[in-house]
Parts: sequence; structure tokens; C-alpha cells
Amino acid sequence: DVKVTQSSRYLVKRTGEKVFLECVQDMDHENMFWYRQDPGLGLRLIYFSYDVKMKEKGDIPEGYSVSREKKERFSLILESASTNQTSMYLCASSYPTGRFYNSPLHFGNGTRLTVT
Amino acid sequence: QQQVKQSPQSLIVQKGGISIINCAYENTAFDYFPWYQQFPGKGPALLIAIRPDVSEKKEGRFTISFNKSAKQFSLHIMDSQPGDSATYFCAADNAGNMLTFGGGTRLMVKP
Repeated sequence: DVKVTQSSRYLVKRTGEKVFLECVQDMDHENMFWYRQDPGLGLRLIYFSYDVKMKEKGDIPEGYSVSREKKERFSLILESASTNQTSMYLCASSYPTGRFYNSPLHFGNGTRLTVT
Repeated sequence: QQQVKQSPQSLIVQKGGISIINCAYENTAFDYFPWYQQFPGKGPALLIAIRPDVSEKKEGRFTISFNKSAKQFSLHIMDSQPGDSATYFCAADNAGNMLTFGGGTRLMVKP
């Protein structure tokens, strides 16, 4: 069974702090994703990665960066947290298209971040 | 601008009733339409998916109806159960794993 583990369930940070959200998957998936979930807006893609040390911007990358030094780990970084980044953050992983066509996303249980 | 619009935002259905959630999309290049189900405290999980070459797909009590000309698709949950209470997201994909999600529907099935 695929397991995507997010390091924290809840985080409270102050405005201006640097925040690290960690995600680890155990299925040797090439693709990893960071989404943000807000009521009424669904899931919006922040960044994704198709391979180690590779990253691509999603729909809302402003204010975020990512790091993928190992295949199983994908980190989301808020360089200077702001109150409008208060949200639920979801990490996901999957096989690439072509190997398992439209391979489903496997999500972690989320990190609820509050920036005060 | 949301490319996939989902309605309603919330839905209350009696046990045994039919739950219907609708989605509309704009990008005609989308070629894969999954639905994800999310229980409280959990991440979303794939429920059912359809490609535009068929108009309907059924898996147990869950059915996707797809109308390519109208650029709409919907999820029907037959004989809805309290255990179906969750948030449902429709999504659309263009060329693989770049999902665009709808805004979500919170379904409550009353006993």
C-alpha cells in the first residue's frame, strides 16, 4: 500500500518565519507534487517534480520554493511566511504518464499551517 | 480563473437517495476526468475516472456521466450511505498528471 507521509499534521508559525514542510513517499514514485487546499478553491498546484533535483512551477508558485534532493523526499519551503499562506498543504506522488497512463495521485494526510 | 467549475459546494442527501455533483470544464484538450474522495483528516483518494471516448462509467454505486459536446461531467452516487459523507473533487487532466481540480463538494448523507 502506498504511503505518503507529511512530517507535521499541524504547524503554527509567525509572519516572516522560514517554514519547511516535508513529504516522504515509499513507492519509488518519480512524480511528486505540492498542492494547497482552500475552501471553495479546491486543490491548487504549487510545484511539482518529475525527478530528483528537478522542479516545475505549478499554478500558484509565488512565495514558495521546493527541494528534491532524494527521490523519496519532496520539501516545500515558505521563504518568509505570510498570513495569506495559512492553508492546508497536501503532498502527493505518482508514477509518470507513459509507465502507468494517468497513474492516480496518492496523497498524504495534509499539514494545516497557520501563520499568525 | 478556475478551468474546472464544480457545483454544488455542499449537498445534503437522505440515506438511500441519489447524490449528484456536476462539473464543467473549458479546455477541450482535457482528456482524462477523475473524481477524488476525501474523508475528514485524510488526503484525497481516487474514486473513479473516465476518458472522453465513453459517455458513462459505472463502478458499484458510483457512476460518471460525461457529455463531451457540453463539456460537462457528473458524479452520481446511487443509494447514498452515511459512509459516503465526504468531500468530492472532480478534476481534469491534459497530457498526464497535470490535474486541474474543481472547487470541491461537501456531501453529507443523513441517516
